[in-house]
Order: sequence, then C-alpha cells, then structure tokens
Amino acid sequence: GQQVMQIPQYQHVQEGEDFTTYCNSSTTLSNIQWYKQRPGGHPVFLIQLVKSGEVKKQKRLTFQFGEAKKNSSLHITATQTTDVGTYFCAGLESNYQLIWGAGTKLIIKP
Amino acid sequence: DAGITQSPRHKVTETGTPVTLRCHQTENHRYMYWYRQDPGHGLRLIHYSYGVKDTDKGEVSDGYSVSRSKTEDFLLTLESATSSQTSVYFCAISEPLETGSSYNEQFFGPGTRLTVL
Repeated sequence: GQQVMQIPQYQHVQEGEDFTTYCNSSTTLSNIQWYKQRPGGHPVFLIQLVKSGEVKKQKRLTFQFGEAKKNSSLHITATQTTDVGTYFCAGLESNYQLIWGAGTKLIIKP
Repeated sequence: DAGITQSPRHKVTETGTPVTLRCHQTENHRYMYWYRQDPGHGLRLIHYSYGVKDTDKGEVSDGYSVSRSKTEDFLLTLESATSSQTSVYFCAISEPLETGSSYNEQFFGPGTRLTVL
C-alpha cells in the first residue's frame, strides 16, 4: 500500500535558524496536506498542495510539491518559539483517506 | 476550531474490558475518522465513515469496531481492550455537507488518552 516517509524524526535548532522537513511517497499523490501539532494538542491543518511543482508561502513557511508529485517539503525561515511542535505531511488516497508521515518534531534550543 | 468534541478525554481501564469512545460534531460534515497516535508512528487510521451507517476499515482496524447512527456521532468500541491499545485517539471530520466542498482538509477533536492496564 501507499506509504509516506517523513524525515527527520526530530530537529533541534537555535531560535532564528531555519528548519526543513521532507516527505517522500512510494506512489504519486493526488495532493499533499501539511498539519502542525503543538505539544499536548491536536493536529491543525496548515495547507494543501495539488499541482505538480507547486510552491506556497505562509509568512515564514514555504511549502513545495515535487514535479513528480511524490515528494514535498516544508521550510521555516528564522524559527521562533511559537513554531515548536510536530509537523506532519499527509498524502490523499482514495475515499478521503489520508496517509500520514510519522512527523518531524521541531525543538528550539534556548 | 471546528465543533468537535470527544469523550471521555482520559480513561484508564483494565485488559479485557469493553471501552467506547465518542466523537460528536456540530459541523454537519459527511466524513468522520478515528485515528490512533503513537510515538514514532504518526497518525494511523482505524476506521472511517462516509455517512450514516456507512463505515469502512482503515489500516489498523483489528480489535476495533465503529458505529454511526447519526451524522453528528461516531463511536469507537474496543470490544476487549488490550495493553497494545494504549494510545491517544483522535477523531477527525472533513467535507462540509452544505457546500459539497472537495477541499478535504481534516479537522481534529481534542483527543482521548486511553490507558489499558
């Protein structure tokens, strides 16, 4: 079945440094969604990418969808303490099922 | 946040006992999902529903059953809980019925932390 691999599992950065997480799918995705989960909270939708090669920005966050629609990335510029949490990618399968990556936990060092 | 509640929020139970978790939504969304979240595994789909009395299995459905008798309620039952079912359980919804939107982002409830001793 379809799998979505996400790396790294953890990333420690100093506040102000950049952060990137990557997702790779074993098959072509119709779309990919990104979610953020704060510690102790629930996943919250950030964005959906649909088109091959699509790039979307939300303030300091940049999301990319690969040309082959099998990989995606999330890049945060100049991290802030409010960025702490776990970032998940999820690829849409049929019947409105999402296949989730394992998440990347962003830890900001004081 | 979308109007999704889960009950109970925390539960401790013993191996072999039945457990039912409830998800209630006030958003009139067609799709409802049950996930479990465990360290290193992200979110894994247990069961989902695409309408009243219409349900289907996800990737980790063994040991779980679901029911949806009303649009707003989706119940997850562990018939005989085991320690491997200790987890955080999230309910999610998608696709507003009124608009017929194809924008299928999922909205999550606050989660239920279940411990099976």
